[in-house]
Amino acid sequence: GAVVSQHPSWVICKSGTSVKIECRSLDFQATTMFWYRQFPKQSLMLMATSNEGSKATYEQGVEKDKFLINHASLTLSTLTVTSAHPEDSSFYICSARIRTSGRYSYEQYFGPGTRLTVT
Amino acid sequence: ILNVEQSPQSLHVQEGDSTNFTCSFPSSNFYALHWYRWETAKSPEALFVMTLNGDEKKKGRISATLNTKEGYSYLYIKGSQPEDSATYLCACWVASGGSYIPTFGRGTSLIVHP
Repeated sequence: GAVVSQHPSWVICKSGTSVKIECRSLDFQATTMFWYRQFPKQSLMLMATSNEGSKATYEQGVEKDKFLINHASLTLSTLTVTSAHPEDSSFYICSARIRTSGRYSYEQYFGPGTRLTVT
Repeated sequence: ILNVEQSPQSLHVQEGDSTNFTCSFPSSNFYALHWYRWETAKSPEALFVMTLNGDEKKKGRISATLNTKEGYSYLYIKGSQPEDSATYLCACWVASGGSYIPTFGRGTSLIVHP
C-alpha cells in the first residue's frame, strides 16, 4: 500500500520558536494532502487542505499566518508552526489523497504523526 | 461543522467476544464513509471505504454496514482477539464547494483482554 512518512515524529521546542513538520508520500504522487491536529481525547480536526502548486485552504478558526503550509512538490508538504506557544502543543498528522478507479475515486493514507510539545 | 459521532467512546471485551460500535453522521451531501484502525504509535490504517446505502464490507473477522438515509454505519468484530485492540475511527466525507472534505469522529477505543 501507499506509504506516507512524517518527520520529526516528536519535537520539543521553546515558546516563540518555529517548528517545521514534513509530510512525504514515499511511493506515489499526492496532489492533495491534509493536515490534522488532535488534542487529547478529541477527534482529528482538519486544519487545512494542501494542494500542490497552490495555496492551502484553511479551515475556519485556523490561523494561516501561524500554520504555514507549503506543498512545493507532488511528494512533499510542510507545516510550519510559527512562534509556537504552549497551547500549540498537540499531535499533528498529515494524510495524502490519491485517486483510484471506480465511483469513489479517492483513497487516503496517513503519516504516523508528529507530537509537538512547546515549553 | 459536520457532526460525526462515534459510540461508545471506549469498550473493554474479553477475547472471543464479538462486538460492534457505531458511527453516526448527517446524511446530507454524503459522499463516502471511511473506517480506520489506529494502533498506538502507528498510522491510521484504512479498513473500509463505503459509499452506497446498504453497503456491507468484510475483511476477515471485521465487517461494516452503511445506512446513508438514516446516517449511520456499524463496525462489527467477530471473535475479538487482543491484537484487535486499537482505536477505530470513522470519517465522513461530504461534498463541499467542488471538493470533498473528511470529518472524523472521536473514535472508539477497543481493548480486548486475553
